[in-house]
Amino acid sequence: EPEVTQTPSHQVTQMGQEVILRCVPISNHLYFYWYRQILGQKVEFLVSFYNNEISEKSEIFDDQFSVERPDGSNFTLKIRSTKLEDSAMYFCASRRLQNTGELFFGEGSRLTVL
Amino acid sequence: GQQVMQIPQYQHVQEGEDFTTYCNSSTTLSNIQWYKQRPGGHPVFLIQLVKSGEVKKQKRLTFQFGEAKKNSSLHITATQTTDVGTYFCTGANNLFFGTGTRLTVIP
Repeated sequence: EPEVTQTPSHQVTQMGQEVILRCVPISNHLYFYWYRQILGQKVEFLVSFYNNEISEKSEIFDDQFSVERPDGSNFTLKIRSTKLEDSAMYFCASRRLQNTGELFFGEGSRLTVL
Repeated sequence: GQQVMQIPQYQHVQEGEDFTTYCNSSTTLSNIQWYKQRPGGHPVFLIQLVKSGEVKKQKRLTFQFGEAKKNSSLHITATQTTDVGTYFCTGANNLFFGTGTRLTVIP
């Protein structure tokens, strides 16, 4: 069964450093998402991406964050100058259709900022 | 902004007991989805409801979408230890996930 893959599974970084989280969405999917989940809390939307452009972004997704689809398979989330409060699990998700149908999540990348 | 609340936040049940979680949106939803997240895992899609008043069943799970399309419920009959996890609801565009209900099943 096709799946969304994320790397790294765990990243530890020093405050102020830049981090890139990588995702490979399912191959025939067109809509891509990044979510954040602080330990024990709800899933929070960060950004959605379609046709090489950001479709929606939340208040969390400020200038510190950026997304990119550098090639036909990867979808990346860059966090510049990480802060302690950026420590969370980051989930990538994808789906074939807009606003309907199953959202397929990756297993997540746990970011720890020291 | 839109808010999606779920109650209860936590539920502990004895194995075999029933469980229900309720989802309430501050705005009307075109559809609603439910996801399950096992401890340490990622959200996994359970179902999507589209029509007002719609009821769908998946084995022991029954999902309902309210008439006003602002609320929904998930009911599990005769819980099993495999039902453990957090259940989230979310609107069609998946911009807002519910606060989640964490289910613990005591064997």
